[in-house]
Amino acid sequence: AQKITQTQPGMFVQEKEAVTLDCTYDTSDPSYGLFWYKQPSSGEMIFLIYQGSYDQQNATEGRYSLNFQKARKSANLVISASQLGDSAMYFCAMTLNRDDKIIFGKGTRLHILP
Amino acid sequence: KAGVTQTPRYLIKTRGQQVTLSCSPISGHRSVSWYQQTPGQGLQFLFEYFSETQRNKGNFPGRFSGRQFSNSRSEMNVSTLELGDSALYLCASSLAHSRVQETQYFGPGTRLLVL
Repeated sequence: AQKITQTQPGMFVQEKEAVTLDCTYDTSDPSYGLFWYKQPSSGEMIFLIYQGSYDQQNATEGRYSLNFQKARKSANLVISASQLGDSAMYFCAMTLNRDDKIIFGKGTRLHILP
Repeated sequence: KAGVTQTPRYLIKTRGQQVTLSCSPISGHRSVSWYQQTPGQGLQFLFEYFSETQRNKGNFPGRFSGRQFSNSRSEMNVSTLELGDSALYLCASSLAHSRVQETQYFGPGTRLLVL
């Protein structure tokens, strides 16, 4: 069965430090997409970064990078130089070629400390 | 380009009533998906519409229904509300050209409270 696992329910990080949010996935489909979304307290889900299963290089978007390790089935999000505004819930998600729905993990609540 | 909009943002209803939520996708997006988010169950997929047709459906009872109009706007209806329907309902839109690579963009959500 397809599944996303985020093992860190919450994290506290000092401002300006780098943060790694863990995500592992489970699927037997060779073609899939992996996403990270940020959800502030306002509720809106904000798209951060995408990684395709056939992509050779790790995705990067500004301060966000995705550490994609296919053999381990992991897709960790790295935030460099964290800011107070990074405090939010972060969700790892997966799409499959034969589906149109997104499968979400339970999320990690990140707190950036001043 | 305007983002995904959802109305209303907040709603309070009582058990047994029905409710209709609205979602306007990003211009040019033809796929609209709906999700329910609760503290206990997390984010759960409700259904997805593409070109006015329901293309995919999650594991929710028949009280949850939806539709999509020719302009891609979508509505979601919940009949005979139960206390457990209290949640944040999120709508997402995408171009729907490639299922795997398609990024879904979310609206701000509608917070429904059932008393």
